[in-house]
Amino acid sequence: GDSVTQMEGPVTLSEEAFLTINCTYTATGYPSLFWYVQYPGEGLQLLLKATKADDKGSNKGFEATYRKETTSFHLEKGSVQVSDSAVYFCALRGGSNYKLTFGKGTLLTVNP
Amino acid sequence: SQTIHQWPATLVQPVGSPLSLECTVEGTSNPNLYWYRQAAGRGLQLLFYSVGIGQISSEVPQNLSASRPQDRQFILSSKKLLLSDSGFYLCAWSVQDEQPQHFGDGTRLSIL
Repeated sequence: GDSVTQMEGPVTLSEEAFLTINCTYTATGYPSLFWYVQYPGEGLQLLLKATKADDKGSNKGFEATYRKETTSFHLEKGSVQVSDSAVYFCALRGGSNYKLTFGKGTLLTVNP
Repeated sequence: SQTIHQWPATLVQPVGSPLSLECTVEGTSNPNLYWYRQAAGRGLQLLFYSVGIGQISSEVPQNLSASRPQDRQFILSSKKLLLSDSGFYLCAWSVQDEQPQHFGDGTRLSIL
């Protein structure tokens, strides 16, 4: 079945540092890929998405590129802010499946 | 625009008591609806999903049930809560057969 593997956290960075959160997946067909963000005490918000190979999703300075050859969708940001502190979830939707499969989440803490 | 509401935001219940969590969506028709549970330190587990009124699919066997009495209303219930039912419960919706899913703010359930 479908699965998503994220790098284990927690990740602690200083403000303005470069961020990478690794995500790899296993899926049949051609999945769509997503990053969601969960701020403390809140629900999940869609951060960015990519629906086909080589697509780059971007939002709020975050980027992720759909790499079919390496089955990866790593999240990156060039300069993190304290306000980026949250839990980040990688997720996929299989080609013919309307259900999302989530990774376990990565807690990011950014210190001033 | 579409909005999703969950309530209550927090709930403390004794073991063996009943449960009813409600989720409503506004601004769209015939959405897919989902209930997730997020246990402490873990990812999201899909509990139930629904593609229409009265149509409920269960992902995991458990102490909980779901119902969809109206097009945009999704209810999570239990007759007798267990300690293991503690967690953060999230409702989500999506356009039929499409992604992404959009999440509510969640209900934090503590069982004593």
